[in-house]
Amino acid sequence: TQLLEQSPQFLSIQEGENLTVYCNSSSVFSSLQWYRQEPGEGPVLLVTVVTGGEVKKLKRLTFQFGDARKDSSLHITAAQTGDTGLYLCAGASTGNQFYFGTGTSLTVIP
Amino acid sequence: DAGVIQSPRHEVTEMGQEVTLRCKPISGHDYLFWYRQTMMRGLELLIYFNNNVPIDDSGMPEDRFSAKMPNASFSTLKIQPSEPRDSAVYFCASSFAGGWETQYFGPGTRLLVL
Repeated sequence: TQLLEQSPQFLSIQEGENLTVYCNSSSVFSSLQWYRQEPGEGPVLLVTVVTGGEVKKLKRLTFQFGDARKDSSLHITAAQTGDTGLYLCAGASTGNQFYFGTGTSLTVIP
Repeated sequence: DAGVIQSPRHEVTEMGQEVTLRCKPISGHDYLFWYRQTMMRGLELLIYFNNNVPIDDSGMPEDRFSAKMPNASFSTLKIQPSEPRDSAVYFCASSFAGGWETQYFGPGTRLLVL
């Protein structure tokens, strides 16, 4: 059973396009993180959101935490080839358990 | 800072052999996590330590897996005996005080059990 479901699972887009990745759960999380993982490396933390409705921006990346703290989205504007990688959401449940999402593999084509 | 160090980076072994994976966390970090990543199951938390003490090992798949942290700068994950279904990438991560929210991952150990 996966507590955090991500969609889409795979995404291939042209450089310059916009995209949104979703992370959904039926459980409430006290905090949620987004990571990016490149081939042969470990995940690297991009952002942490802790407040329902919170929006954080990191250059061309916009992260939003749902009002009910059960879901999150990652929006990338004008994707670049360097954005290629596996995007993982991860959350700490109110029961102090930690889970990673199913992952979204993004390929940006030049 | 050297970051989290894992060794070996690659391991190929035969079914039934003992496998030991090693991790050196970032100096000063008091949490250490072991994860396993596969295509089928994604990234799974196996066990984590706080101040060298195992806190939650509910993710350890079975008794063939064991983890130790004898001191603040070293941890091992051992599989004995290994099986082909243990083939995966094993990651170690460490964090300071924040626990879940500030994890730094190592490069991983890619394990193949034949």
